[in-house]
Amino acid sequence: EPEVTQTPSHQVTQMGQEVILRCVPISNHLYFYWYRQILGQKVEFLVSFYNNEISEKSEIFDDQFSVERPDGSNFTLKIRSTKLEDSAMYFCASSVGTGSAFFGQGTRLTVV
Amino acid sequence: AQSVSQHNHHVILSEAASLELGCNYSYGGTVNLFWYVQYPGQHLQLLLKYFSGDPLVKGIKGFEAEFIKSKFSFNLRKPSVQWSDTAEYFCAVNAPGNYGQNFVFGPGTRLSVLP
Repeated sequence: EPEVTQTPSHQVTQMGQEVILRCVPISNHLYFYWYRQILGQKVEFLVSFYNNEISEKSEIFDDQFSVERPDGSNFTLKIRSTKLEDSAMYFCASSVGTGSAFFGQGTRLTVV
Repeated sequence: AQSVSQHNHHVILSEAASLELGCNYSYGGTVNLFWYVQYPGQHLQLLLKYFSGDPLVKGIKGFEAEFIKSKFSFNLRKPSVQWSDTAEYFCAVNAPGNYGQNFVFGPGTRLSVLP
């Protein structure tokens, strides 16, 4: 069964450092997403990406965040200068279109 | 803006008990509805989805959900739970036609099944 893969599974970084979270969506999917889940809280939408541009983003997705699809397979989330409150599980997801999204295993980001 | 509420934060059941997890959404138009499950330490997995047609949808692992449009509800049910159903359950909504196609998740309900 095709799946969304994310690397690394766990990233520890110092406050103020840049981090890049990587995702490989399912190959024939056209829509890509990043969500995050702060421990004990609900899953929150960050950004969606379609046709090589951001299609929608939430208030959380400020100038510290950026996304990129550097080649035909990877989809990355960059946090420019991490803050303690960025510590969360980050989920990548992809979908064909108006359908259910498939989620990756998540990357646990810990900012110290 | 869309929002999703789930009735219970934590549900504790014994094995073989019946389960119903409530989900209500707030959106005036047509929606797609989903239930995702997150087992401990694992990623979100799709349990079932409703787009249109029969409002009673069946998913994996014996789960089903019923869409009641007049109540803006999409409750998840299972007639007999197992210990392996222990997980966090998330109801989600997306509105077709949203260019971003993003999903709005409910806060989640933690299900603990006692052996």
